[in-house]
Amino acid sequence: RKEVEQDPGPFNVPEGATVAFNCTYSNSASQSFFWYRQDCRKEPKLLMSVYSSGNEDGRFTAQLNRASQYISLLIRDSKLSDSATYLCVVNIYGGSQGNLIFGKGTKLSVKP
Amino acid sequence: DTAVSQTPKYLVTQMGNDKSIKCEQNLGHDTMYWYKQDSKKFLKIMFSYNNKELIINETVPNRFSPKSPDKAHLNLHINSLELGDSAVYFCASSQPGTTEVYGYTFGSGTRLTVV
Repeated sequence: RKEVEQDPGPFNVPEGATVAFNCTYSNSASQSFFWYRQDCRKEPKLLMSVYSSGNEDGRFTAQLNRASQYISLLIRDSKLSDSATYLCVVNIYGGSQGNLIFGKGTKLSVKP
Repeated sequence: DTAVSQTPKYLVTQMGNDKSIKCEQNLGHDTMYWYKQDSKKFLKIMFSYNNKELIINETVPNRFSPKSPDKAHLNLHINSLELGDSAVYFCASSQPGTTEVYGYTFGSGTRLTVV
């Protein structure tokens, strides 16, 4: 079983749509969780950290279910500029000994 | 000011050559990393250094040798380049105690093509 699994997509949605991405991770000792965004031919950039209680940042909502080892990202009111690949990321050791494990990413394409 | 900078941005070289990629961060972070992103876009860690000490060394051919002269720099030297080494190499950094909130900061990548 892969350490971090995501649906690769692509997700093709119209502007204004709500879209949800899911991710599962295999290591129950995982310490911290993130969603990164990667634009074509660019570096990954942190979109948001994911906390146990769930957290929201504007149109983006992240949820974590430790029991199911499941992470989600919800994007409301999609914009054209949201088109990118969204990477689910898990830190399996924590702190400076951490090792960020990346999923393969889910590609989102928002159309006018 | 770029937080994590890598040079060169593009590198095209012949099989068998030896090349280096340089990385510098001005964030004051203690930990630096090298990641490889292959043609299938999968990002995988190669090495991690904390304050100039190697702490993660994943299964990487020993043709790849990282060097950290100080905690702000982590360079990657590759000997006897092979076609399969073609990929984008990303440098990243993080600060212990803040990683859980801020994750890692990545450089813009070095696109290596071996011909």
